[in-house]
Amino acid sequence: DQQVKQNSPSLSVQEGRISILNCDYTNSMFDYFLWYKKYPAEGPTFLISISSIKDKNEDGRFTVFLNKSAKHLSLHIVPSQPGDSAVYFCAASADGGSNYKLTFGKGTLLTVNP
Amino acid sequence: DARVTQTPRHKVTEMGQEVTMRCQPILGHNTVFWYRQTMMQGLELLAYFRNRAPLDDSGMPKDRFSAEMPDATLATLKIQPSEPRDSAVYFCASGLVRDGTSSTDTQYFGPGTRLTVL
Repeated sequence: DQQVKQNSPSLSVQEGRISILNCDYTNSMFDYFLWYKKYPAEGPTFLISISSIKDKNEDGRFTVFLNKSAKHLSLHIVPSQPGDSAVYFCAASADGGSNYKLTFGKGTLLTVNP
Repeated sequence: DARVTQTPRHKVTEMGQEVTMRCQPILGHNTVFWYRQTMMQGLELLAYFRNRAPLDDSGMPKDRFSAEMPDATLATLKIQPSEPRDSAVYFCASGLVRDGTSSTDTQYFGPGTRLTVL
């Protein structure tokens, strides 16, 4: 029973264009959402987060949008750069923070082509 | 530059052998997590500790897996006996929760232990 779903295993975009990564969740108790980025042979690193009281959070080239009614969030990267090529994990918490139990999606491999 | 360290980075063993993976959380962090990453299941939480006490180990196969924190600077994950289906990358992560309140501080992941059970 996947409570956090990333339905696109991979995504390929051109450098300079927008990358949009999507994530859906089923548990209405989730109230805090995060995106992690993972390079090969490394652990995931935190990218950006959003609380359920917001619908948007922006940090430089990265913006996360949350649509609670649709139980959907997305990560926008503008403009995409080759160094953004990595696996992106969506994660959710029902405890209001990131240092509680997180449920992860299976990840989306983003490839940004020069 | 504070980091989570994990040893060993790679482990190849035969079915039936005991495997011990170690994690040194970032100094001062009071929450430690163990995750397993496989192609089929993605990143799954196995167990986590707060102030060295286990809070949730519901993701861990109880018959063969065990997780402990002998002290605040060391977390261990043991598999005994190991099976080929345990082959995966095991990640440790640490973070800080202050005074029991919700924390927006992130979890910091180690580089992982790649386990292969033949």
